[in-house]
Amino acid sequence: GNSVTQMEGPVTLSEEAFLTINCTYTATGYPSLFWYVQYPGEGLQLLLKATKADDKGSNKGFEATYRKETTSFHLEKGSVQVSDSAVYFCALSDQGGGNKLTFGTGTQLKVEL
Amino acid sequence: GAVVSQHPSWVICKSGTSVKIECRSLDFQATTMFWYRQFPKQSLMLMATSNEGSKATYEQGVEKDKFLINHASLTLSTLTVTSAHPEDSSFYICSASSASGPQETQYFGPGTRLLVL
Repeated sequence: GNSVTQMEGPVTLSEEAFLTINCTYTATGYPSLFWYVQYPGEGLQLLLKATKADDKGSNKGFEATYRKETTSFHLEKGSVQVSDSAVYFCALSDQGGGNKLTFGTGTQLKVEL
Repeated sequence: GAVVSQHPSWVICKSGTSVKIECRSLDFQATTMFWYRQFPKQSLMLMATSNEGSKATYEQGVEKDKFLINHASLTLSTLTVTSAHPEDSSFYICSASSASGPQETQYFGPGTRLLVL
């Protein structure tokens, strides 16, 4: 079956530090990959996505590249801000499941001044 | 961007009562809606998938008779928690998609926090 593995948090960084949140996946087909962000007390918001190998998704300074050879979709940002503090979820959907999403467990990011 | 709303945002009810949660797509037609449950500091657990005008498809282990889902129109789906008990207390989140297929993005509602006393 499909699965998504994320690095455990919480991740605590100083403002302007470089961020990497690792995400690897297992899927039977050719999945689409997503990063969602959940701010405190809110629902999930789509951050970025990539639908085929070597695609790079980017938004708000965040980016992730679909790496088929390593089955990874790591999230990166060059300089984080306090406002980036949230929980980040990696997810996939594949052709066999329509657009049913399989989520990772989420990684909490805390950015401090 | 696509907006999905949920109502109510939070609800407290007595054990044994039923609670209805609405999920609406405000600016697009949602052919498919999903209902998730999220426990504190955990990921989202898909409960069911609903397509407009047809019965919902429930995930393994989710009680159909307890969590009633109705997708009456292309902009509205409802989740009714029947005979609620304290263990049903959770954060319920819906999402909507304008089409099926692995490339289609799901847009999430802000969630409904349910507390059963």
